[in-house]
Amino acid sequence: GESVGLHLPTLSVQEGDNSIINCAYSNSASDYFIWYKQESGKGPQFIIDIRSNMDKRQGQRVTVLLNKTVKHLSLQIAATQPGDSAVYFCAEGNSGNTPLVFGKGTRLSVIA
Amino acid sequence: DGGITQSPKYLFRKEGQNVTLSCEQNLNHDAMYWYRQDPGQGLRLIYYSQIVNDFQKGDIAEGYSVSREKKESFPLTVTSAQKNPTAFYLCASSSRSGQNQPQHFGDGTRLSIL
Repeated sequence: GESVGLHLPTLSVQEGDNSIINCAYSNSASDYFIWYKQESGKGPQFIIDIRSNMDKRQGQRVTVLLNKTVKHLSLQIAATQPGDSAVYFCAEGNSGNTPLVFGKGTRLSVIA
Repeated sequence: DGGITQSPKYLFRKEGQNVTLSCEQNLNHDAMYWYRQDPGQGLRLIYYSQIVNDFQKGDIAEGYSVSREKKESFPLTVTSAQKNPTAFYLCASSSRSGQNQPQHFGDGTRLSIL
């Protein structure tokens, strides 16, 4: 399939282990954050979001942590599976009328 | 099924030619967006539209044009002025621009130069 990123940071994880993908965001005024998953040749898919009045939010096998003090966001994937292999993007937004701003992405490779 | 449809999946452009990428959504979303994706550079915003008959330039609008005559459609034209058009183009929509709403994406169009 097509490559969506030849020079992205890569995280390699053993199947069954937990994965942690990190993101540093740029705008201290941002109050909304999203994680997307992008598989090769496809568009990004929404995984989970979090608003700035929270520091943790859990979904199915995923947890997002937000540290506003150091402008850091992380995505934790529990019991990583081969189907989790993809590029993961964080995005930040605010309550104003401006579009989301996307990070450059991290490639997750799951070793079976 | 509700979603965003981009067509074609692959597109080839000759030198000096304009090409138009289609994006249609049936999610009844007000806002629509076009992004360009190059290897190692994430998503860069080309144009966005918050409402019908209105649109704004993004970070890399030069060499591109858009229209928003209908709520469900937001076509992107890559003009001959865009000297490096080879990329993966992604269309997205959201119920409202900003206001803490997730964007939903199509599956992209890959544009290449002949």
